[in-house]
Amino acid sequence: DIQMTQSPSTLSASVGDRVTITCRASQSISSWLAWYQQKPGKAPKLLIYKASSLESGVPSRFSGSGSGTEFTLTISSLQPDDFATYYCQQYNSYSLPTFGQGTKVEIK
Amino acid sequence: QVQLQESGPGLVKPSETLSLTCAVSGYSISSGYYWGWIRQPPGKGLEWIGSIYHSGSTYYNPSLKSRVTISVDTSKNQFSLKLSSVTAADTAVYYCARGDYMDVWGKGTTVTVSS
Repeated sequence: DIQMTQSPSTLSASVGDRVTITCRASQSISSWLAWYQQKPGKAPKLLIYKASSLESGVPSRFSGSGSGTEFTLTISSLQPDDFATYYCQQYNSYSLPTFGQGTKVEIK
Repeated sequence: QVQLQESGPGLVKPSETLSLTCAVSGYSISSGYYWGWIRQPPGKGLEWIGSIYHSGSTYYNPSLKSRVTISVDTSKNQFSLKLSSVTAADTAVYYCARGDYMDVWGKGTTVTVSS
């Protein structure tokens, strides 16, 4: 199995901050990585797929980068609606899907 | 637009089989995509349970493989999850979703395992 490790586990930030979350894969997954946002009591929402492709309707302040084993999700200017938990997920065709453990973005 | 809706019992007794169905609207399952199940225990992260391809091929989380069956009913445009020999550790919100990267999710259904 490919293990996905996110850092940090919790992040405290203020509105307007630039926020970066890192996701590392235990082996190369090329660009087969997605990012999701989850709010309490709600289903996850797809933000980014194929490492850097923005899902339709997702604000442009969200961006993704990386390939191989290291990936980042960046929020350019944190908005009140962005306080949530974020998960990465690999979907490399040579292995089964796995999620990172999540990063909770809290109000500072 | 494409919508997914989970349904099934909210309470299951230990050692019994959990059975859930995901009804799909706005898209024909037989047209393509993987269709999967994901769960989230209270206060914890997301765990992929397994997926079925539109052709019927199935893929399961190795940690659950011996207890999981996912099937598809194209005539009803729905797919199903069965998890046998459940314990309290299987208490979770269960989601169904479309795709290898999951672009459409159901709202989730809470399943509690308790006698």
